[in-house]
Amino acid sequence: RKEVEQDPGPFNVPEGATVAFNCTYSNSASQSFFWYRQDCRKEPKLLMSVYSSGNEDGRFTAQLNRASQYISLLIRDSKLSDSATYLCVASNDYKLSFGAGTTVTVRA
Amino acid sequence: GAGVSQSPSNKVTEKGKDVELRCDPISGHTALYWYRQSLGQGLEFLIYFQGNSAPDKSGLPSDRFSAERTGGSVSTLTIQRTQQEDSAVYLCASSPSGNYGYTFGSGTRLTVV
Repeated sequence: RKEVEQDPGPFNVPEGATVAFNCTYSNSASQSFFWYRQDCRKEPKLLMSVYSSGNEDGRFTAQLNRASQYISLLIRDSKLSDSATYLCVASNDYKLSFGAGTTVTVRA
Repeated sequence: GAGVSQSPSNKVTEKGKDVELRCDPISGHTALYWYRQSLGQGLEFLIYFQGNSAPDKSGLPSDRFSAERTGGSVSTLTIQRTQQEDSAVYLCASSPSGNYGYTFGSGTRLTVV
């Protein structure tokens, strides 16, 4: 079983829509959580960290549920530029475990 | 430098040859990682360096893979006797301490023919 599991999608949404997806992690000792964004044939880039209390960064909202061991990402008012693969990451000390990614395509 | 630099950006090699991939981390970052990403797959941890501590090599897939980090800065990942299944993008990342702030390089796309 993979340490981090994600729905691969794709999620195809029109501009302006809200899209939400989540991931689950299996290691209860995981301490830190992140969402990374990866564009086609590019390196992953940090989108946001995820905190237990939930956090927002502009149109992006991340939530962590430690009891159920899942992390969510919600994108409001989707833009064409949000089209990418979103990688869920769980960290235990220094070791990062990546999900395979959720692909989001925003259409005009 | 301003970011993590990797070279070469692309490498095509014949099966059975050895290859060396280079990573130059952000100056001052003590933690350095190597990951591998195969087509359509997630990132697979290979090796972790932190300062002068012994590296965590638990992710290296076979003894054909080795890595070193000289002077706590530049790292080289070596793959001996390459196989077709080694074809992937090899990503390097560095971090100030290993607990946050991971920055990835743009990767080396390795193709074994």
